[in-house]
Amino acid sequence: EVQLLESGGDLVQPGGSLRLSCAASGFTFSDFAMSWVRQAPGKGLEWVSAVGGTSGYTFYTDSVKGRFTISRDNSKNMLFLQMNSLRVEDTAVYYCAKMQGAIYESYYMDVWGKGTTVTVSS
Amino acid sequence: QSVLTQPPSVSGAPGQRVTISCTGSSSNIGAGSDVHWYQQLPGTAPKVVIFDNNNRPSGVPDRFSGSKSGTSASLAITGLQAEDEADYYCQSYDSSLSGWVFGGGTKLTVL
Repeated sequence: EVQLLESGGDLVQPGGSLRLSCAASGFTFSDFAMSWVRQAPGKGLEWVSAVGGTSGYTFYTDSVKGRFTISRDNSKNMLFLQMNSLRVEDTAVYYCAKMQGAIYESYYMDVWGKGTTVTVSS
Repeated sequence: QSVLTQPPSVSGAPGQRVTISCTGSSSNIGAGSDVHWYQQLPGTAPKVVIFDNNNRPSGVPDRFSGSKSGTSASLAITGLQAEDEADYYCQSYDSSLSGWVFGGGTKLTVL
């Protein structure tokens, strides 16, 4: 069974840092790009960042560029999101998602984890 | 404000047909990027119900269908059931932003 399990969410003060992890199982992890998608309380979905399977290419939404870093360890089937200089507006449930598609322009998220909650507050 | 525009809410009675629109621009849907649709039940993670404009993953009822034309796309649900009550999101790729984008979401209420 294909599974994604996020961890690392916590309460952190503005300006602080946090590292999210996502453990993948049930598929050949290195064959697929992976994404982080977040959902602020009572709000819609927002794509945050993505990383290619083996290419090393990374992508970020403008609001997190320079603050967040996505990475992966294909030997351990793990996806990470290092979040620095956190802001109140980063408060959200963060989902790890497996991407599917022939080319980047057609990618969609076919498998999602249950999410991990990040709260940025003083 | 989302790059893809959806109506905040739609509703329909059991058995009826509803459609949810998703309006983009020349840098996303109009550029030929595929549109995908997700269903999010309360308190759960999103689940894809339509991918590549009009394809259903296995296990999704054929009551769900998608279409795309120009800079817009639509999700149609026929034979509405109580279990369809959820939030629905469209998603595509935007070449100007060099990233993936979601619509603001539409809350479907089954009356």
